[in-house]
Amino acid sequence: NAGVTQTPKFRILKIGQSMTLQCAQDMNHNYMYWYRQDPGMGLKLIYYSVGAGITDKGEVPNGYNVSRSTTEDFPLRLELAAPSQTSVYFCASSSRPALDSPLHFGNGTRLTVT
Amino acid sequence: AQSVAQPEDQVNVAEGNPLTVKCTYSVSGNPYLFWYVQYPNRGLQFLLKYITGDNLVKGSYGFEAEFNKSQTSFHLKKPSALVSDSALYFCAVRDEDYGQNFVFGPGTRLSVLP
Repeated sequence: NAGVTQTPKFRILKIGQSMTLQCAQDMNHNYMYWYRQDPGMGLKLIYYSVGAGITDKGEVPNGYNVSRSTTEDFPLRLELAAPSQTSVYFCASSSRPALDSPLHFGNGTRLTVT
Repeated sequence: AQSVAQPEDQVNVAEGNPLTVKCTYSVSGNPYLFWYVQYPNRGLQFLLKYITGDNLVKGSYGFEAEFNKSQTSFHLKKPSALVSDSALYFCAVRDEDYGQNFVFGPGTRLSVLP
């Protein structure tokens, strides 16, 4: 049972480059999320999706885009990378919308923008 | 607005001793509280959750958490710490007003010394 799979694990980008962080889950979860983790700051929600074709902004969406064409995949796109986007990015999913439903996380992508 | 505080950046405890990792929260509605653990180079793993009901919640790996409504706290506890419990611990909250967003605390690093 793979759960939530993120690729790549590490990436170094130059300022102004673009890239897509991949996220796939095999649990048939409708709800998927992208978070970024910065030291001492906890996790901040970038975007989320409640099902295929539906996405919405979270707390820190600027500089990012997402799409959700299938239930399984939820890629995060960085356009014109900036040093402020240096972070660890986590994808997560949950099975239902109930507020007591916990998140299942991938192992993260560590991104450095120089 | 929702917020979560973890007042200690670091907690050190000797193996076999009880441990407490503190969390306080602020929400406008009923709180849904969670604890997650993060091991190095891994995503967050769900430990336990509080919805409504018993003030002492039992979770994975022998952890439990005590909910105190008057103090708006949800402290994580374990009667006897193991070296393998050393990790980064995050408290998180959701409520009805903010729907899909989990608000995470900044994290507390637990070190269990042999």
